[in-house]
Amino acid sequence: ETGVTQSPTHLIKTRGQQVTLRCSSQSGHNTVSWYQQALGQGPQFIFQYYREEENGRGNFPPRFSGLQFPNYSSELNVNALELDDSALYLCASSITGGSQYFGPGTRLTVL
Amino acid sequence: GENVEQHPSTLSVQEGDSAVIKCTYSDSASNYFPWYKQELGKRPQLIIDIRSNVGEKKDQRIAVTLNKTAKHFSLHITETQPEDSAVYFCAARMGNQGGKLIFGQGTELSVKP
Repeated sequence: ETGVTQSPTHLIKTRGQQVTLRCSSQSGHNTVSWYQQALGQGPQFIFQYYREEENGRGNFPPRFSGLQFPNYSSELNVNALELDDSALYLCASSITGGSQYFGPGTRLTVL
Repeated sequence: GENVEQHPSTLSVQEGDSAVIKCTYSDSASNYFPWYKQELGKRPQLIIDIRSNVGEKKDQRIAVTLNKTAKHFSLHITETQPEDSAVYFCAARMGNQGGKLIFGQGTELSVKP
């Protein structure tokens, strides 16, 4: 198992609400990437954080935002939740340009 | 646009046989190609990766080959075992977009004892 942890494990929200997901990176890693994985599909890149700044973004609307903290941990925030936001949210930590190691994910259900 | 195509979507083999999964990518600037194994309800686990300056890499029963000209890379698993059963994802890192990985749609591998 990797040293990447995520919380919470599961979350149920209703449409229009806001959610914050958390990720702690593996020791020695300075970069965190976030992915959305819908059922039966491959992960889709949301964005990456390095040195507390966004370092690349996928095709996700601005209501998906993030933060990285000085200890390299990260948050993913999603505003105005929609039904289609229901998915497994994965974070992956790495050193810059290195292999990405995934956390266990947060299963988000939007009702 | 950015795209990674993965085939087949499902693969069933007998224990001890070999399994091959193939991927093609669209961005010629892609420089890094990892493979992940995801068991049901678990995180994607990195099993092997290859960089664009290498044509082949092997780790015990697993090997990956890369053909940059054809923009094609493959995962080879030899002497398959039932515990190899899982969904396998290939990915490509876009050359000019930091660490962005584009994933294939996955291959569900079933190894029958």
